[in-house]
Amino acid sequence: DAGVIQSPRHEVTEMGQEVTLRCKPISGHNSLFWYRQTMMRGLELLIYFNNNVPIDDSGMPEDRFSAKMPNASFSTLKIQPSEPRDSAVYFCASTKTGTNSPLHFGNGTRLTVT
Amino acid sequence: DAKTTQPNSMESNEEEPVHLPCNHSTISGTDYIHWYRQLPSQGPEYVIHGLTSNVNNRMASLAIAEDRKSSTLILHRATLRDAAVYYCILRGDTDKLIFGTGTRLQVFP
Repeated sequence: DAGVIQSPRHEVTEMGQEVTLRCKPISGHNSLFWYRQTMMRGLELLIYFNNNVPIDDSGMPEDRFSAKMPNASFSTLKIQPSEPRDSAVYFCASTKTGTNSPLHFGNGTRLTVT
Repeated sequence: DAKTTQPNSMESNEEEPVHLPCNHSTISGTDYIHWYRQLPSQGPEYVIHGLTSNVNNRMASLAIAEDRKSSTLILHRATLRDAAVYYCILRGDTDKLIFGTGTRLQVFP
């Protein structure tokens, strides 16, 4: 089991550019979560999916952020246009729904917007 | 989501036991108590969880108060690799986890 795979590991971009972060959950997991971590705000839940359907997106900061899960093995988090305040580490996690199973986190994508 | 309260930081010496406390006075009957930790430059990792009874696994033990308003994560022999931020989280009917600020554990040789 390769665990949750996120790409890229690091992303540096200029303000105004579009950024796409990718996540491959663990096979067989049907819930997927996107988190953002900064020194100021800690770990924040942005959105989570169940069976590829967004269930709770109340943590998405604004319209510049969007997330999709086109199939059970892939999700993207897109920021367009990016701003310096979006600089953070973005984590993806997955689990099996309804079993109180642990969340498994990826190693994160460190995003720097200059 | 019910909230938890943890000390900001704790210190331990290597090979000594560590007791990390967590208060959750507003816990509901169906909330599970979960513990995760985050090592430097890594994503959070699951440690242990429980509902009412004390729990043990290869990583740690979880002691839950009889009234469930508090719990304690026990690392039986701290190692340098246990230096991390430890999060105590209440997980209700949904799968999501809401992280607080956690306890930063320092382990000294």
